[in-house]
Amino acid sequence: EIVLTQSPATLSLSPGERATLSCRASQSVSSYLAWYQQKPGQAPRLLIYDASNRATGISARFSGSGSGTDFTLTISSLEPEDVAVYYCQYRRTFGGGTKVEIK
Amino acid sequence: EVQLVESGGGLVQPGGSLRLSCAASGFTLSSFWVSWVRQAPGKGPEWVANIAQDGSAENYVDSVKGRFTISRDNAKNSVYLQMNSLRAEDTAVYYCARVSGGYDVVDYWGQGTLVTVSS
Repeated sequence: EIVLTQSPATLSLSPGERATLSCRASQSVSSYLAWYQQKPGQAPRLLIYDASNRATGISARFSGSGSGTDFTLTISSLEPEDVAVYYCQYRRTFGGGTKVEIK
Repeated sequence: EVQLVESGGGLVQPGGSLRLSCAASGFTLSSFWVSWVRQAPGKGPEWVANIAQDGSAENYVDSVKGRFTISRDNAKNSVYLQMNSLRAEDTAVYYCARVSGGYDVVDYWGQGTLVTVSS
């Protein structure tokens, strides 16, 4: 069973800063990795699929990269509305999440 | 507009049963796999089960095998999750989720329904 490890657990940045979130798989998942954003009290929302493809309606501030075992979600310029927990997913496995906060 | 609306959650005693329903609209349900994903309080999402477009295939996480059954009625635009022999560790918000593509990516989620298993 593949395990997805996300880091850091919490990321605290100022508005306008660049956020870099990591997801590492215990074995290769090729490019079949997705990223979701979950705001408090809401369902998750698909941001990125197949490692680097933005889902419909997702801001260009969000980008994904990586393949094999190492993946990155980047928020180019952090906005207050980006405060959320971000999860990576491969098939039926989710990572533990990274909480993004505003300083 | 794609919508998934769950219902049927509530408080149930350990060992009890609940049936969750998911009403789909805004798309052709029969063209998509559907999953149930749950999220315990303060935890990340956990995939629970999925079902093929025509109901011909079902898959379950090991912890619910033999206790939960996923089903669908495309004519009624609905997907169901029958949950029996409920345990405290089944307490979670349960989401109905539309699967896009071949690798269980969820492109639409419902708002969720809370299931609490407690005496």
